[in-house]
Amino acid sequence: AQKVTQAQTEISVVEKEDVTLDCVYETRDTTYYLFWYKQPPSGELVFLIRRNSFDEQNEISGRYSWNFQKSTSSFNFTITASQVVDSAVYFCALSEKSGNTPLVFGKGTRLSVIA
Amino acid sequence: DTEVTQTPKHLVMGMTNKKSLKCEQHMGHRAMYWYKQKAKKPPELMFVYSYEKLSINESVPSRFSPECPNSSLLNLHLHALQPEDSALYLCASSQESPPGKGGYEQFFGPGTRLTVL
Repeated sequence: AQKVTQAQTEISVVEKEDVTLDCVYETRDTTYYLFWYKQPPSGELVFLIRRNSFDEQNEISGRYSWNFQKSTSSFNFTITASQVVDSAVYFCALSEKSGNTPLVFGKGTRLSVIA
Repeated sequence: DTEVTQTPKHLVMGMTNKKSLKCEQHMGHRAMYWYKQKAKKPPELMFVYSYEKLSINESVPSRFSPECPNSSLLNLHLHALQPEDSALYLCASSQESPPGKGGYEQFFGPGTRLTVL
């Protein structure tokens, strides 16, 4: 069965600090996909990144970076030099190639960036 | 264009009302989804349409009735709802339809905030 755990329920940081959001997943499939979504107070889920299980390269996009480690079943998300606009709930999600559920979400991490 | 639109943005209805939520995408996606999200919880999948056919119904009560008139539109008909159905209803679309395939990112609309009195 597939499962995503985001152990951090809420994080508060001061603007310009770096922050890492943790995501640990469980799956029996060898082919699977990992995602991060951002949900600002307005409510819309914004897609940030997709990773497939065969691509362990880390990725950087501006102030965002992702660290995918199959050995520890983790897909962590780091925001560098955080800004107030980064305040949101961030969801990690998993999709198995042979699974019946299209997307399994973690419970989310609420990030508050204080000016 | 990576936009999914939803109307209305807000909806207040009584328990005896009938209303509909609408969702539209023009990305050529052939899979569309309805999710329900309660406060401080992740989205919960309700329905999946693949090529305009219902492929997943997550044991949703019959007072929620989905409809996919064409590949761009998705409706959710509401009837005799309960106060506990108050939530944010999110529509999403993606390139492929799980299960068995998939792994494509889903693009979400802004949601409809539903309040049932």
